[in-house]
Amino acid sequence: EPEVTQTPSHQVTQMGQEVILRCVPISNHLYFYWYRQILGQKVEFLVSFYNNEISEKSEIFDDQFSVERPDGSNFTLKIRSTKLEDSAMYFCASSEGRGGDTQYFGPGTRLTVL
Amino acid sequence: EDKVVQSPLSLVVHEGDTVTLNCSYEVTNFRSLLWYKQEKKAPTFLFMLTSSGIEKKSGRLSSILDKKELFSILNITATQTGDSAVYLCAVLPANFGNEKLTFGTGTRLTIIP
Repeated sequence: EPEVTQTPSHQVTQMGQEVILRCVPISNHLYFYWYRQILGQKVEFLVSFYNNEISEKSEIFDDQFSVERPDGSNFTLKIRSTKLEDSAMYFCASSEGRGGDTQYFGPGTRLTVL
Repeated sequence: EDKVVQSPLSLVVHEGDTVTLNCSYEVTNFRSLLWYKQEKKAPTFLFMLTSSGIEKKSGRLSSILDKKELFSILNITATQTGDSAVYLCAVLPANFGNEKLTFGTGTRLTIIP
């Protein structure tokens, strides 16, 4: 069964460093998302992406964050200068279409900022 | 702002018991409500409920949506230890271009053998 994959599974970085989290969405899906979950808290929406541009972003997704689809299969989330509070589990998701299509989640990348 | 509240926060039952998990929501222009199961990492999709599909069933799991009272329940019958997980409820608004899922805090279900 097709699934969303993410790498790495765990990333440890120093405060102020740049990190890139990678995702390979399900191959025929057109809509891509990033969510994050701080330990013990809710899953929170960060950004949605379609047709090579951001379609919606939350207040969390400030200028330190960016997303990119560098080729036909990868979808990346970049955090330019990490802060301690960026430590969280980051989930990538994809859906076939919009308008309520089910979003399927990847296994997540645990980001630890020291 | 869209809001999802789940109850109880945690539940411990014995294998074989039946459980009911609750989800109430407030959303502008409701489109759908989704249930996910989160074990170690990724939320795994269980059900989507919409205006045209207010009841879903898959094996021992079933879910209903009450659009009038703005809540949903997830039932699990004859629970097994493999059902131990956090169960997440999320809502999706109908606004075109808004694909943002709003999640509840989840219900942590523990099944004791």
